[in-house]
Amino acid sequence: DGGITQSPKYLFRKEGQNVTLSCEQNLNHDAMYWYRQDPGQGLRLIYYSQIVNDFQKGDIAEGYSVSREKKESFPLTVTSAQKNPTAFYLCASSSQGRSTEAFFGQGTRLTVV
Amino acid sequence: AQSVTQLDSQVPVFEEAPVELRCNYSSSVSVYLFWYVQYPNQGLQLLLKYLSGSTLVKGINGFEAEFNKSQTSFHLRKPSVHISDTAEYFCAVIRGGYSTLTFGKGTMLLVSP
Repeated sequence: DGGITQSPKYLFRKEGQNVTLSCEQNLNHDAMYWYRQDPGQGLRLIYYSQIVNDFQKGDIAEGYSVSREKKESFPLTVTSAQKNPTAFYLCASSSQGRSTEAFFGQGTRLTVV
Repeated sequence: AQSVTQLDSQVPVFEEAPVELRCNYSSSVSVYLFWYVQYPNQGLQLLLKYLSGSTLVKGINGFEAEFNKSQTSFHLRKPSVHISDTAEYFCAVIRGGYSTLTFGKGTMLLVSP
């Protein structure tokens, strides 16, 4: 089945540690996105990538980093510089064109203690 | 810049009653509009989208939405809700040159027997 796989579903880390969230898609989509979700805040865009080896900052990129070495993969690293990393992180992908819908993974809940 | 306002953070309703979830957007250019649904601890699933043409859009699970350009609204409706419709609903608008979605803060639909 085609889709987007995020792993792990739950992640616990100590404060000050970097952590990498995985996102893989087999939909052959060119574009991939990372969103952060906090209660009552909706979804906010962290980073997005339209093609391999290229990505752009979203609204809240500070404290995060990404790479896009393969079309299928778009990992997100939450660095120690991110002040409030505890959140629900969602990865999405879409084919080219503004009218196409974005498909979402099941999310990773990150808790930093 | 585009923004999305969901006027209600929570909407309680009894089973089999009709429901309307409100969404207003601001944009100086043409937009593409979407409604997504999120069940607890899961990703987002597309309910419906408006790209052009008929202003009444039908989606999955019996939901529909009406695009009103003069009122810049895209309200979601269902004539008779089920317990299983309990979830969070997000209105979103396309921005920029690619499929980067701007989301509202979400409306929690609470259906009780």
